[in-house]
Amino acid sequence: SAVISQKPSRDICQRGTSLTIQCQVDSQVTMMFWYRQQPGQSLTLIATANQGSEATYESGFVIDKFPISRPNLTFSTLTVSNMSPEDSSIYLCSVQTAGTGFNNEQFFGPGTRLTVL
Amino acid sequence: EDKVVQSPLSLVVHEGDTVTLNCSYEVTNFRSLLWYKQEKKAPTFLFMLTSSGIEKKSGRLSSILDKKELFSILNITATQTGDSAVYLCVFAGGTSYGKLTFGQGTILTVHP
Repeated sequence: SAVISQKPSRDICQRGTSLTIQCQVDSQVTMMFWYRQQPGQSLTLIATANQGSEATYESGFVIDKFPISRPNLTFSTLTVSNMSPEDSSIYLCSVQTAGTGFNNEQFFGPGTRLTVL
Repeated sequence: EDKVVQSPLSLVVHEGDTVTLNCSYEVTNFRSLLWYKQEKKAPTFLFMLTSSGIEKKSGRLSSILDKKELFSILNITATQTGDSAVYLCVFAGGTSYGKLTFGQGTILTVHP
């Protein structure tokens, strides 16, 4: 499995501001994903971070609100823009390592706990 | 729309008890079913199931998949307080490669 780190681990932000979350993997991975877990809810996929091209967003999520970068095979960022209290969640990146093919086994980073006041 | 339903939503037991967590699904283009354990923030991978009737085991945990009846169970024997967590049943498949669809989770609390 891959070792995944996220920065920051937590943050408290004011509404209207933006926060960029970083996800770093210790090895090259084929696919990286960003998830959101709202309080008391399960995880919901925001988008697939594509290396060298625009991210693929799930229904209900848009690039203007959640811009994503993936400059190489080991790093990605998610920005939460123009935040409101409803954006308070845990944000997690996950990776699917090379060799798992279509088996979809994914490993998760430690998460970023975001609180918006 | 793909759907993963877990039951019970919460469970309280004492150390040494055996628990069975249930997961049913209605999905398109099934590829695999995964179980994760979530204690604080990051879900930890437990099992991936792709074939019916083949039990996966890891210590006191085991899981099996029934693709005909569209369900899976996760068993934990001789529970310990460290088993207290949210257990997530996750479907992999659908139309988006790599997309995971999560069930709502079962909150397991093990008392000493």
